[in-house]
Amino acid sequence: TQLLEQSPQFLSIQEGENLTVYCNSSSVFSSLQWYRQEPGEGPVLLVTVVTGGEVKKLKRLTFQFGDARKDSSLHITAAQPGDTGLYLCAGLKYSGAGSYQLTFGKGTKLSVIP
Amino acid sequence: DAGVTQSPTHLIKTRGQQVTLRCSPKSGHDTVSWYQQALGQGPQFIFQYYEEEERQRGNFPDRFSGHQFPNYSSELNVNALLLGDSALYLCASSRDRGIEGYTFGSGTRLTVV
Repeated sequence: TQLLEQSPQFLSIQEGENLTVYCNSSSVFSSLQWYRQEPGEGPVLLVTVVTGGEVKKLKRLTFQFGDARKDSSLHITAAQPGDTGLYLCAGLKYSGAGSYQLTFGKGTKLSVIP
Repeated sequence: DAGVTQSPTHLIKTRGQQVTLRCSPKSGHDTVSWYQQALGQGPQFIFQYYEEEERQRGNFPDRFSGHQFPNYSSELNVNALLLGDSALYLCASSRDRGIEGYTFGSGTRLTVV
């Protein structure tokens, strides 16, 4: 059973369109983190959301954390070819003995066509 | 300020062999986590090291083992390699429980033939 369900798995859109990626779970997280990964590289952190209902903006990207801290969304306005990549959501959850574990969804592969 | 450094970048091994991957964390980070990423999938958690001890472990067999050194650098060892171990192995460092996020290296691409 996947702890974090990410949708859609694949997304191909035209330059200038808007899109939303969803990350859902039945678990409560201490924080929800979004990463972007290019082929052959490691994931790069885009944003961390910690408080339920929190909204963060990063240029054309808007991130929202659900009120119950179980889900999150990433909205991109006017997508550009440079937005192409694998978008990963990851939930940080307390796993006992003072430690926290970061678990990833399967990712959304975004292609923005010029 | 250097981020996370992993070595080697690529590696080809034969089934049954053993491999050691290395990671130097970002300056100021004290926790190292290792992930395995198959092509087109999200990273899967292998284990995490803090204060030179394995603090938690994902659903990976005992063939996967690790170590953290006093300077916070870390190694991932895999014994008796299987074809299915072929993947991108990612090292991530963090501090303060990882609330601020993890910093990942570029990974080691392991191919088992």
